[in-house]
Amino acid sequence: SQTIHQWPATLVQPVGSPLSLECTVEGTSNPNLYWYRQAAGRGLQLLFYSVGIGQISSEVPQNLSASRPQDRQFILSSKKLLLSDSGFYLCAWSAQEGNQPQHFGDGTRLSIL
Amino acid sequence: KQEVTQIPAALSVPEGENLVLNCSFTDSAIYNLQWFRQDPGKGLTSLLLIQSSQREQTSGRLNASLDKSSGRSTLYIAASQPGDSATYLCAVAGFNKFYFGSGTKLNVKP
Repeated sequence: SQTIHQWPATLVQPVGSPLSLECTVEGTSNPNLYWYRQAAGRGLQLLFYSVGIGQISSEVPQNLSASRPQDRQFILSSKKLLLSDSGFYLCAWSAQEGNQPQHFGDGTRLSIL
Repeated sequence: KQEVTQIPAALSVPEGENLVLNCSFTDSAIYNLQWFRQDPGKGLTSLLLIQSSQREQTSGRLNASLDKSSGRSTLYIAASQPGDSATYLCAVAGFNKFYFGSGTKLNVKP
């Protein structure tokens, strides 16, 4: 069966520090991968999605970047964190074939001090 | 651009009541619609997926309907229980993207 792992679960970082959040998927190949951010009491904002290695689409201009160095690995990064980067970050995957559901990791709670 | 709205934002009901959560979307050209449950501080758990060609899906006490032409979906929860307390989100699928509503926070009182 397929599983998705996301870490760390919580992270507290100072303003201006770098960031690296990692997400890996097991039990499937060539998935679509997604990074979302959820502000408190809000819906999910799509940040990046990827349909293949090295292919990244950015949905909103921001202080973050994403990379997909391997088929089932998706990384969210920042060179210098801002206070506004605080939030709950969720990774998800779906199969490339049409009409497939999304499956989510457990999320990372990022607090910027 | 697809916009997804969920009403109400919050709902409190006594245990045992049947309830309906609503989701509306502006662009009817969707691949599917998915309902999720989110517990505080947790990721999203998929509840039901309705393909664009389907009208409804059922799983246990949950029934989701889809009316693409009117841009609406409902999630019906029968005989609600305190364990159903969570935030429920709907998401519509476009090409390689999913668009989420902001959720309905449900509280089922014992």
